Amino acid sequence: GAGVSQSPSNKVTEKGKDVELRCDPISGHTALYWYRQSLGQGLEFLIYFQGNSAPDKSGLPSDRFSAERTGGSVSTLTIQRTQQEDSAVYLCASSQGQLPRETQYFGPGTRLLVL
Amino acid sequence: RKEVEQDPGPFNVPEGATVAFNCTYSNSASQSFFWYRQDCRKEPKLLMSVYSSGNEDGRFTAQLNRASQYISLLIRDSKLSDSATYLCVVNRSGYALNFGKGTSLLVTP
Repeated sequence: GAGVSQSPSNKVTEKGKDVELRCDPISGHTALYWYRQSLGQGLEFLIYFQGNSAPDKSGLPSDRFSAERTGGSVSTLTIQRTQQEDSAVYLCASSQGQLPRETQYFGPGTRLLVL
Repeated sequence: RKEVEQDPGPFNVPEGATVAFNCTYSNSASQSFFWYRQDCRKEPKLLMSVYSSGNEDGRFTAQLNRASQYISLLIRDSKLSDSATYLCVVNRSGYALNFGKGTSLLVTP
């Protein structure tokens, strides 16, 4: 079956511009996560959606970052006024439920480069 | 202190060797533990969950020591295809995951 998909796969933008990254989770998965992976760093949790509950935004690094999940499916991560330190791979993952042991399936990521 | 710490390596081993990776975590309330594998420029993929009793999947054995807050992964009879970065992962706040920076493994002919 189809896995998690993300678009675009690569994005180059200029400092100060806004960008939108999209994630399509696996059909039927209620939990959706955003992470980012900077060069030489581990994955950093950003935000978590579970069903219709309020998202856990505790990992967002600044108020320039926001995310939405429409209809319990597709999610968009928006970065406003991008900075060079936002350059990273942004990874989306989904899982069937919210239990810690539920396997998270990752998409291929969006590689963001801010010039 | 980082919540999950790993030796970054790289570990360079010949085919057929046995190699072990270690990981420590700081949050004693953590409940779930995993090893993920990440190939170059690819997304992480679950390798195996880690249980207190230890678990084995073919050539891979994972161990958890809660008292020492220590997780290990043993790979026996290494294959060239095992070359990758191995990520130690601990659950955070019940659902989101805390990832280590990874240990790089290169298996050589």
